[in-house]
Amino acid sequence: EPEVTQTPSHQVTQMGQEVILRCVPISNHLYFYWYRQILGQKVEFLVSFYNNEISEKSEIFDDQFSVERPDGSNFTLKIRSTKLEDSAMYFCATGTGFDEQFFGPGTRLTVL
Amino acid sequence: AQSVTQLGSHVSVSEGALVLLRCNYSSSVPPYLFWYVQYPNQGLQLLLKYTSAATLVKGINGFEAEFKKSETSFHLTKPSAHMSDAAEYFCAVRGSNDYKLSFGAGTTVTVRA
Repeated sequence: EPEVTQTPSHQVTQMGQEVILRCVPISNHLYFYWYRQILGQKVEFLVSFYNNEISEKSEIFDDQFSVERPDGSNFTLKIRSTKLEDSAMYFCATGTGFDEQFFGPGTRLTVL
Repeated sequence: AQSVTQLGSHVSVSEGALVLLRCNYSSSVPPYLFWYVQYPNQGLQLLLKYTSAATLVKGINGFEAEFKKSETSFHLTKPSAHMSDAAEYFCAVRGSNDYKLSFGAGTTVTVRA
């Protein structure tokens, strides 16, 4: 069964450093999302991406965040200058439209 | 805007007993409703979804949920709990004109032998 994959599974970085989280979507999916889950809190929407542009973003997704599909397959989330409060599990999800979203296993980001 | 509220952050049941997880939604448009399960150190797996077809929805692993518009609820049930059902369960909603999912706070299920 096709699945969404994410790399790395765990990323440790120093505050102020840039990180890039990667996601490989299911091959025929055209809608891509990033969510995050701070430890002990609910899963929060960050951004949705379709047709090579952001279709919606939350207030969390400020100027330090960016997304792209650099090679038409991978879908990446970049955090330019990480803060302690960016420590969370980041989930990529993909879908074909208004139907269900398929989630990857997540990347645990730890900012020291 | 769409939102969901899950009543009860922790539920403990005996093996073989009924599992009931409560979810109430708020939506200004016809909602799409979902239940996801998260096992320890894993991602979110879809259990079932409501997309305006049948109000009683059957999912994987013996779970089902009933959409009740009059009560704005979408409670998840399983007649007989199994040890493998121990996990965190999330209710989520999306508006019919929306793509993003809004999640509830989650309910952790513990199954006692």
